[in-house]
Amino acid sequence: DAGVIQSPRHEVTEMGQEVTLRCKPISGHDYLFWYRQTMMRGLELLIYFNNNVPIDDSGMPEDRFSAKMPNASFSTLKIQPSEPRDSAVYFCASSLFGNTEAFFGQGTRLTVV
Amino acid sequence: DQQVKQNSPSLSVQEGRISILNCDYTNSMFDYFLWYKKYPAEGPTFLISISSIKDKNEDGRFTVFLNKSAKHLSLHIVPSQPGDSAVYFCAASQPPNTGNQFYFGTGTSLTVIP
Repeated sequence: DAGVIQSPRHEVTEMGQEVTLRCKPISGHDYLFWYRQTMMRGLELLIYFNNNVPIDDSGMPEDRFSAKMPNASFSTLKIQPSEPRDSAVYFCASSLFGNTEAFFGQGTRLTVV
Repeated sequence: DQQVKQNSPSLSVQEGRISILNCDYTNSMFDYFLWYKKYPAEGPTFLISISSIKDKNEDGRFTVFLNKSAKHLSLHIVPSQPGDSAVYFCAASQPPNTGNQFYFGTGTSLTVIP
């Protein structure tokens, strides 16, 4: 397996635009996590799914953020409208079970100008 | 509300010496702890873990120590090598029936000087 695949690797967008981040988890993994990395808070969990169902989205900062997992092999994180304070590295991770080690993608570096 | 804290943002160590990275947590429900290593422009990769039923777990040059009474864990790297230079994240989770997410610290950037 190629591991967790995220796209794009880098995204630069203007404030107010919609941004969509994509993730393909490792095949067979039942859990998918979206994290945001910032200097102040480290790796911050935004939302996680179990068997494609959102379980906990309490980390999603605002209604501008939404995430979907239409099937076991694909998830999206959408920000609409984007703001400069959303600039960060966003990671997707998947795991076989919820409390076992997660495998991370390479991340998407988002810059909102 | 940071439940997992890494109070040292950075650490520098000479090659061959011991690196000790520290992590503190506040939630007594945490029962599983992991360390991840992250190189620039890459995602974190799993390094080593420990369950709360143990106080030590060793894997090659890496050893994790857990002190439950102090709510403290540490990662020891002996001997340190230049390739160990990376950001290290500590993470903790609760038992499966109470939640399935990991709480991460803010990371410690380790530099091993040749």
